[in-house]
Amino acid sequence: DGGITQSPKYLFRKEGQNVTLSCEQNLNHDAMYWYRQDPGQGLRLIYYSQIVNDFQKGDIAEGYSVSREKKESFPLTVTSAQKNPTAFYLCASTLTGTGSYEQYFGPGTRLTVT
Amino acid sequence: ILNVEQSPQSLHVQEGDSTNFTCSFPSSNFYALHWYRWETAKSPEALFVMTLNGDEKKKGRISATLNTKEGYSYLYIKGSQPEDSATYLCASHGGYQKVTFGTGTKLQVIP
Repeated sequence: DGGITQSPKYLFRKEGQNVTLSCEQNLNHDAMYWYRQDPGQGLRLIYYSQIVNDFQKGDIAEGYSVSREKKESFPLTVTSAQKNPTAFYLCASTLTGTGSYEQYFGPGTRLTVT
Repeated sequence: ILNVEQSPQSLHVQEGDSTNFTCSFPSSNFYALHWYRWETAKSPEALFVMTLNGDEKKKGRISATLNTKEGYSYLYIKGSQPEDSATYLCASHGGYQKVTFGTGTKLQVIP
């Protein structure tokens, strides 16, 4: 079955540590995205990548970094510079060229930093 | 309108009732409007992709309309069922990088 996987589902870290969230897709989609959700807010775009080895900052990129070395994978690193890292993180992908921009989402990772 | 706004924030309806939600979005630089259903403990799933002014889409008991000139979309659910309980998100697309989500409408259908 094609889809997007994110691991782990729950992640706990101590303040000051970097942590990497995994996102893998086997849909052969070109574009991938990372979103963050906080209570009472909509999904906010952190980073997106339209092709391998290229990515762009979204609205709230500060304190985060990404890489796109393979089409299937788009890991997100939450660095110690991110002031409020505790949140729910969603990864998504889109098939480009169709004009619909429909996004397919993973199950999400809930990160708690104490 | 600068952001995507959804109303109401939450809604409780009795099983069998019909209901509707609103999504307001910037009408400039519009490419597409998406509705997603997000059930608890699952991933958001696309319901409708709408691109043309006056577009109407239907999937079973759920339908949506789009007005790109005034920047709004309505989602209708006819004869709500408990399995319709979810958060309904809309997203306005101005291209791949211009994706703005609303905060969602949380629907609870009471049996």
